[in-house]
Amino acid sequence: AQSVAQPEDQVNVAEGNPLTVKCTYSVSGNPYLFWYVQYPNRGLQFLLKYITGDNLVKGSYGFEAEFNKSQTSFHLKKPSALVSDSALYFCAVRAVWGGDYKLSFGAGTTVTVRA
Amino acid sequence: DSGVTQTPKHLITATGQRVTLRCSPRSGDLSVYWYQQSLDQGLQFLIQYYNGEERAKGNILERFSAQQFPDLHSELNLSSLELGDSALYFCASSLEESPGEKLFFGSGTQLSVL
Repeated sequence: AQSVAQPEDQVNVAEGNPLTVKCTYSVSGNPYLFWYVQYPNRGLQFLLKYITGDNLVKGSYGFEAEFNKSQTSFHLKKPSALVSDSALYFCAVRAVWGGDYKLSFGAGTTVTVRA
Repeated sequence: DSGVTQTPKHLITATGQRVTLRCSPRSGDLSVYWYQQSLDQGLQFLIQYYNGEERAKGNILERFSAQQFPDLHSELNLSSLELGDSALYFCASSLEESPGEKLFFGSGTQLSVL
């Protein structure tokens, strides 16, 4: 079975500082990896994804994520956080072949960026 | 705006009742997914349809059922409701069912079972 772990329930950073949200995954074979963000009273919005190729993926709103196969990680990063980045962030994984076909989400990490 | 429409936005009902949640996917999207979000369980995949056919099933209770109609809208039926069914139910859609595709989420239906 595939699974995603987001080890931190909350991440707090000051505006202008780097932001990192951690994610590790478990899946049979190669993974498709995603990051989604959820603002209050809204549905999830796609940020970025990794399918194949360059391990550093760039996405929306200045976010990027690095795929590390040996550590089975896909951490989300932003060099300089904004107050408007405060939201709930979800990492998700899907098997490329076989295994569960569904998109499995982590428990989410609440990011708070203070002014 | 994701283009995915969910109705109603809020639903308050009593235990033992039955409700229907409706989802209209983005124009042209063939695949529809249902997710349940609660504080204790997180975001749980329920079921996926593609062009009217069931494609994948997750942690969906037998009291719950879903279908996708010829016009591609989908309905999630929840019956014999229990207090623990109170949650935010999301619908999402994608153009195809390729595992690499991103999903577009609706704003959800907040279900409160009293």
